[in-house]
Amino acid sequence: DAGVIQSPRHEVTEMGQEVTLRCKPISGHNSLFWYRQTMMRGLELLIYFNNNVPIDDSGMPEDRFSAKMPNASFSTLKIQPSEPRDSAVYFCASSFDQGTEPQHFGDGTRLSIL
Amino acid sequence: GNSVTQMEGPVTLSEEAFLTINCTYTATGYPSLFWYVQYPGEGLQLLLKATKADDKGSNKGFEATYRKETTSFHLEKGSVQVSDSAVYFCAPKTSYDKVIFGPGTSLSVIP
Repeated sequence: DAGVIQSPRHEVTEMGQEVTLRCKPISGHNSLFWYRQTMMRGLELLIYFNNNVPIDDSGMPEDRFSAKMPNASFSTLKIQPSEPRDSAVYFCASSFDQGTEPQHFGDGTRLSIL
Repeated sequence: GNSVTQMEGPVTLSEEAFLTINCTYTATGYPSLFWYVQYPGEGLQLLLKATKADDKGSNKGFEATYRKETTSFHLEKGSVQVSDSAVYFCAPKTSYDKVIFGPGTSLSVIP
């Protein structure tokens, strides 16, 4: 079975540019999560969706970050404009919204803002 | 609020040594408990889980027992290998969809 698919795997861009990260969750999962991981702050939950609806975006750092889930099989995380401090690994994860079900992670997008 | 405390790393062990990584949590309700592992350059993978008190989760030689009375879920392995070098995350699932991840414990196993 295909797991969570993220693209691109690596992104290097200059500050001020728009960055779009993409995620395809596992088919049938109805919850989707975006995380950011850095050495300094560890793993941070940015936002999560349930049935394509944003439920909690309190972890989104600021207005430069936005996330959408137009359908059950696709989500994007956008940063505009990007800044060097946004450099991190961004993970997408999906799950069933049942109490005993774990989250399944993609391989992440390693983002470097110069 | 809900939180997770893991033993601080990094932990360095020799091959075939015994491993314990402590994890305690505070949570409302009756959470399911997970351990995830992250190998270098990869995403987090589910290692094992337990869903009710006294359940023991196990996988790849790792074990952890759900201790409701002490709100703990310590990870153990009797004999570690170099290939076990990774970061380990304790993660209670405190609501129908939200998981709280601990800070992670880095393990290095040397030959």
